[in-house]
Amino acid sequence: KQEVTQIPAALSVPEGENLVLNCSFTDSAIYNLQWFRQDPGKGLTSLLLIQSSQREQTSGRLNASLDKSSGRSTLYIAASQPGDSATYLCAVRPAAAGNKLTFGGGTRVLVKP
Amino acid sequence: GAGVSQSPSNKVTEKGKDVELRCDPISGHTALYWYRQSLGQGLEFLIYFQGNSAPDKSGLPSDRFSAERTGGSVSTLTIQRTQQEDSAVYLCASSRYGQDDGYTFGSGTRLTVV
Repeated sequence: KQEVTQIPAALSVPEGENLVLNCSFTDSAIYNLQWFRQDPGKGLTSLLLIQSSQREQTSGRLNASLDKSSGRSTLYIAASQPGDSATYLCAVRPAAAGNKLTFGGGTRVLVKP
Repeated sequence: GAGVSQSPSNKVTEKGKDVELRCDPISGHTALYWYRQSLGQGLEFLIYFQGNSAPDKSGLPSDRFSAERTGGSVSTLTIQRTQQEDSAVYLCASSRYGQDDGYTFGSGTRLTVV
C-alpha cells in the first residue's frame, strides 16, 4: 500500500527565505506526482505536475524535483512572500490500473513579514 | 466549464437527515473523484468514476454513503442518516482519463452535522 509522508508538518520562515518542502513515498511505481496548495477553508490548487520520466518541473519561483528510485520529491519556493502562507500537499498517482491519488499529510507554511 | 464546480459550498444539517452534494466537472474530463478532508486530517479517498461507472468505491466509509454520475458529467454524493462524524469538507476533482495533466479540484462543500 502506497504511503506518502511530508516533513516537516509545519514550517515558519521570515519573508525572503527560500522554502524547502519534502515529500517521500514508499512505492516507486508511480505514474506522476502532483504538488498542491490549499488555503484555509478552500479547495486545492495545482502547482506542479511531474511525470515519472521527469526529474523536475519549474513554474516561476517554484521548482519541484522527483527522484523516483528513492521515493522522494522536493518543492522549492524561492524568495518566499507572506502570500505563500498556505498548506502544501503532495500526491502520487500509481502506475498500476486505477487513478486515485494518495496524498501526504501536508506541510503548513507561515511566511512572516 | 472553466473549473470544477461544487454545490453547495456550505451545508449545515441535523443529525439523521440525508444530504446531497453535487459536483460538476470540467467539460471533457471523463474521470471524477470524491475525497473527504476532516478537520486536521489528510485527504481521504472516497470513490472514483470513469464515465458513469465507479470502478473503485473502496473509500466509501459505510453503506450510508453512495454516489452516482450521470451523462458522464455531474456527480452526486449522497449521505443518508448523517452523523456528526460525517462533518468534513468534501472535495471533488476531475481529470482527463489517460492524459498526463493531473487532477483539478473544486472548492469543496463544507458539511456540518449538528
